[in-house]
Amino acid sequence: NAGVTQTPKFQVLKTGQSMTLQCAQDMNHEYMSWYRQDPGMGLRLIHYSVGAGITDQGEVPNGYNVSRSTTEDFPLRLLSAAPSQTSVYFCASSFLQGNQPQHFGDGTRLSIL
Amino acid sequence: KNEVEQSPQNLTAQEGEFITINCSYSVGISALHWLQQHPGGGIVSLFMLSSGKKKHGRLIATINIQEKHSSLHITASHPRDSAVYICAVVYGATNKLIFGTGTLLAVQP
Repeated sequence: NAGVTQTPKFQVLKTGQSMTLQCAQDMNHEYMSWYRQDPGMGLRLIHYSVGAGITDQGEVPNGYNVSRSTTEDFPLRLLSAAPSQTSVYFCASSFLQGNQPQHFGDGTRLSIL
Repeated sequence: KNEVEQSPQNLTAQEGEFITINCSYSVGISALHWLQQHPGGGIVSLFMLSSGKKKHGRLIATINIQEKHSSLHITASHPRDSAVYICAVVYGATNKLIFGTGTLLAVQP
């Protein structure tokens, strides 16, 4: 049982490049979400999904796209990387019904030059 | 003003001390999480509370819904407890979380 798996763990990009951060979970969780963590700030919600085919914007969605074609996978796409997107990105998942524990991936440390 | 405030922001303790980290929030919530993050590491869920008190080993979490306040206590602290402790509240029908900025705890031997 792998839990929540994020890849890659580290990535360096040049401004303007695009890339996809992968997130997969094997717990059949309906709810999946992406956060970014920046120094001095709490984690902030980028996008979330309550099930396959359903996504919605969080607090800081600009510059990011998501899709949810399967229950297991929730990739985050950077369309045209900017230095302001340098951050640590975390994916999380949980069951949707009631109050449920959140399961986090190990994070992706992304640097945009 | 942040919707979730933690105090203190930084805390240094000697091994064996009793530690308290506080979390206050200003929104209506359905539950509150306490999370732990070791330096450079992932985030682990310690507790999820909607009322009362929970205990796991040396960790105790309490919540007062009326006062919009939660505390995380660590008894007999140990250097391996050194980490960032994050409070997050659950609001809305879709499990959305609002996070505090975290408390950096260093326990010295």
